Amino acid sequence: KAGVTQTPRYLIKTRGQQVTLSCSPISGHRSVSWYQQTPGQGLQFLFEYFSETQRNKGNFPGRFSGRQFSNSRSEMNVSTLELGDSALYLCASSGQAAGEQYFGPGTRLTVT
Amino acid sequence: GQQLNQSPQSMFIQEGEDVSMNCTSSSIFNTWLWYKQDPGEGPVLLIALYKAGELTSNGRLTAQFGITRKDSFLNISASIPSDVGIYFCAGQLQGAQKLVFGQGTRLTINP
Repeated sequence: KAGVTQTPRYLIKTRGQQVTLSCSPISGHRSVSWYQQTPGQGLQFLFEYFSETQRNKGNFPGRFSGRQFSNSRSEMNVSTLELGDSALYLCASSGQAAGEQYFGPGTRLTVT
Repeated sequence: GQQLNQSPQSMFIQEGEDVSMNCTSSSIFNTWLWYKQDPGEGPVLLIALYKAGELTSNGRLTAQFGITRKDSFLNISASIPSDVGIYFCAGQLQGAQKLVFGQGTRLTINP
């Protein structure tokens, strides 16, 4: 089975721009979660989608949004980018109500 | 919000030594997960624990879910160079997908 894939792997944007990141979960997994990883804050939960519905949301501003499609693929959007948004964005998929999550390789976003 | 305290933050050991790291929380978790992350990659799941007191092994790795449900530890026996990386614990509340992560333990091995 193919693992979680994320595109693009690297991205450089300037302040004020917006960005869209994509995640394809493991086949058959319907839950997709997004996390932000920075040296200062570590791994922080952004949100989780299941069957095209956002089920949980972390403590991030409204500039961070996401969606999930009927094939369980998910996208995450960040608008009006700030320097502090530079991070590794990770998505994880799960095939269970709770429990094991499998991570993709991440998208490294650099905001200049 | 929930926070996990993971220790130690870093370890420098000789190849062949055993390693132990742990996580504690002020909150009760229903699931504990242990991950390893290599530079430039996403975390890879090592062990999942679902029951208080549960002891689970995966090769040279052994992890336990604490009786109080507020802690977990991971042991690595007979370390080898490929064990180098950052290890994270993660806790999960009942019925929720959100993972709360520890700060990580950076493992360095001197050959």
